[in-house]
Amino acid sequence: GAVVSQHPSWVICKSGTSVKIECRSLDFQATTMFWYRQFPKQSLMLMATSNEGSKATYEQGVEKDKFLINHASLTLSTLTVTSAHPEDSSFYICSARPSGRHEQFFGPGTRLTVL
Amino acid sequence: QKEVEQNSGPLSVPEGAIASLNCTYSDRGSQSFFWYRQYSGKSPELIMSIYSNGDKEDGRFTAQLNKASQYVSLLIRDSQPSDSATYLCAVANFNKFYFGSGTKLNVKP
Repeated sequence: GAVVSQHPSWVICKSGTSVKIECRSLDFQATTMFWYRQFPKQSLMLMATSNEGSKATYEQGVEKDKFLINHASLTLSTLTVTSAHPEDSSFYICSARPSGRHEQFFGPGTRLTVL
Repeated sequence: QKEVEQNSGPLSVPEGAIASLNCTYSDRGSQSFFWYRQYSGKSPELIMSIYSNGDKEDGRFTAQLNKASQYVSLLIRDSQPSDSATYLCAVANFNKFYFGSGTKLNVKP
């Protein structure tokens, strides 16, 4: 149980394009989902917290207009990186917290490379 | 002061030994405590959760919590090379969830 999927697992795009990453909780409902970014050999960095049906809460320094988050249902959240640039290249990982529980379960991550 | 502190390591132990990973946290109101394992290039995987003072055992893993000292630890018995990874301590209080920066564990064959 508590499986989270992410799609795509990797993506390469040109600078200036937008990329959408999907995060799904497959066997549970998640009122809260989280988006993280991790650069090589660095710690997880929380980008934003999204609650189903409401606007995401972004961490300080994360541009909400650049990283668009939509949590449209209890099993799906999407992150869109708009006008991607090479410095946005990173490992993006989502996690989901089952309703009524404290743990977060992570998706497998999406490796984004912007050329 | 960071919410969750961990020694970055690397912690090196020989195969078969006990690996001891430690974590301290600053928020006395924290209610839930977790250990995640992250292999290089992969996402974190939940391996233990603990909510009350004392020990909790699951196979080769034992989590220990001391709320008075604001201290959480993870013991890995009979360490295997496959246990080599970064171990993340996480602490939760209501809707706030904080990760430590992780301790890198190397288990030498």
